[in-house]
Amino acid sequence: QVQLQESGPGLVKPSETLSLTCTVSGGSISSFYWSWIRQPPGKGLEWIGYFYNTGNTNYNPSLKSRVTISVDTSKNQISLKLSSVTAADTAVYYCAGGGVVVATCDYWGQGTLVTVSS
Amino acid sequence: QSVLTQPPSVSAAPGQKVTISCSGSSSNIGNNYVSWYQQLPGTAPKLLIYDNDRRPSGIPDRFSGSKSGASATLGITGLQTGDEADYYCGTWDSSLSAVIFGGGTKLTVL
Repeated sequence: QVQLQESGPGLVKPSETLSLTCTVSGGSISSFYWSWIRQPPGKGLEWIGYFYNTGNTNYNPSLKSRVTISVDTSKNQISLKLSSVTAADTAVYYCAGGGVVVATCDYWGQGTLVTVSS
Repeated sequence: QSVLTQPPSVSAAPGQKVTISCSGSSSNIGNNYVSWYQQLPGTAPKLLIYDNDRRPSGIPDRFSGSKSGASATLGITGLQTGDEADYYCGTWDSSLSAVIFGGGTKLTVL
């Protein structure tokens, strides 16, 4: 059974960089799409970006200038960095994926709330 | 404003059937697979339907998906109180080069 676990600081100061890690257990991250998706409190889902296979990444155009997604295959981890954060970036951040179609997220982490505040 | 349009809410009585629509365009639903997700209160979304109409293992056949042109529909029969949740459609948008989601539909089982 594939399981995903997000980890990282729950509080980030404005203008700083949000950094999260997703550890995948029970399966390999190779050859599948892995996305970061966020959900502001009380709102809908917003896709941030994906990492696929051997280094193929794609980001939400509205966040592209601030986002980096990378993978450490030796640790089965997917990382997210979002720079220059503001209060609008406050959200539950989910790691999701495991599918061969980019918009099909077979597996989801439990999510981690990141609050941007001084 | 989401690129995919869903009704904000739907409701029906236990045992009844409900459908949730997801309307898009040729750059997204019209030419790409649609997935549906169920988000129970306080939990992460869960994959219900993929490739327009396929159910992952463990999803009961009370849940079904269909697609026609640039619109997709999620159907739920034999409604149970445990089905109360937010439902999201999602797909790839070839023009935006991005995964997009509908705004979500809150299902209330009266």
